[in-house]
Amino acid sequence: AQSVTQLDSQVPVFEEAPVELRCNYSSSVSVYLFWYVQYPNQGLQLLLKYLSGSTLVESINGFEAEFNKSQTSFHLRKPSVHISDTAEYFCAVSLNNAGNMLTFGGGTRLMVKP
Amino acid sequence: NAGVTQTPKFRVLKTGQSMTLLCAQDMNHEYMYWYRQDPGMGLRLIHYSVGEGTTAKGEVPDGYNVSRLKKQNFLLGLESAAPSQTSVYFCASSYSLREQYFGPGTRLTVT
Repeated sequence: AQSVTQLDSQVPVFEEAPVELRCNYSSSVSVYLFWYVQYPNQGLQLLLKYLSGSTLVESINGFEAEFNKSQTSFHLRKPSVHISDTAEYFCAVSLNNAGNMLTFGGGTRLMVKP
Repeated sequence: NAGVTQTPKFRVLKTGQSMTLLCAQDMNHEYMYWYRQDPGMGLRLIHYSVGEGTTAKGEVPDGYNVSRLKKQNFLLGLESAAPSQTSVYFCASSYSLREQYFGPGTRLTVT
């Protein structure tokens, strides 16, 4: 069975600073990878995903993540964060031979300070 | 296009009471899911459905039942609520085997 580990439960950072949210997964087969964002008192929204092709994927609001197969990682980065990026971020994995289920990490709370 | 909606938004139950959570989607998605979210544990899959009339167990199915009588609706039932079922419940739907769309959640407290 696959598992997902988000190494930091909370990441405090000052506005305009860079940030990296770490995600590692374990799986014996190929996977699809996702980052979801949850703003306070809301449901989850898809931020970006890796299915195939280029290992660097980007979101429309400046986040990017890189799939590293050898390190089984899918870290999320942003070069300059805004107050509005304060949210909880979840990494998730789907097996490409099982298809219909996501396994989530425990989440990382990003706290952007002015 | 409302996406995925959940009813109710909040509920308080006493131990042993029963209730049903309703999830509805208007995107004609085949796949629907119920998750629970607990602090530090991310989201855990309770049950899911790959089409009308079908359901299957997820990671934490004990104490819950589901039904998918109509394609657009997915119901989650608690027959005898326990304090351990205090959680935030999210419904999701998907048109492919990968990307899921989430509802706003139901916050349930069992006393």
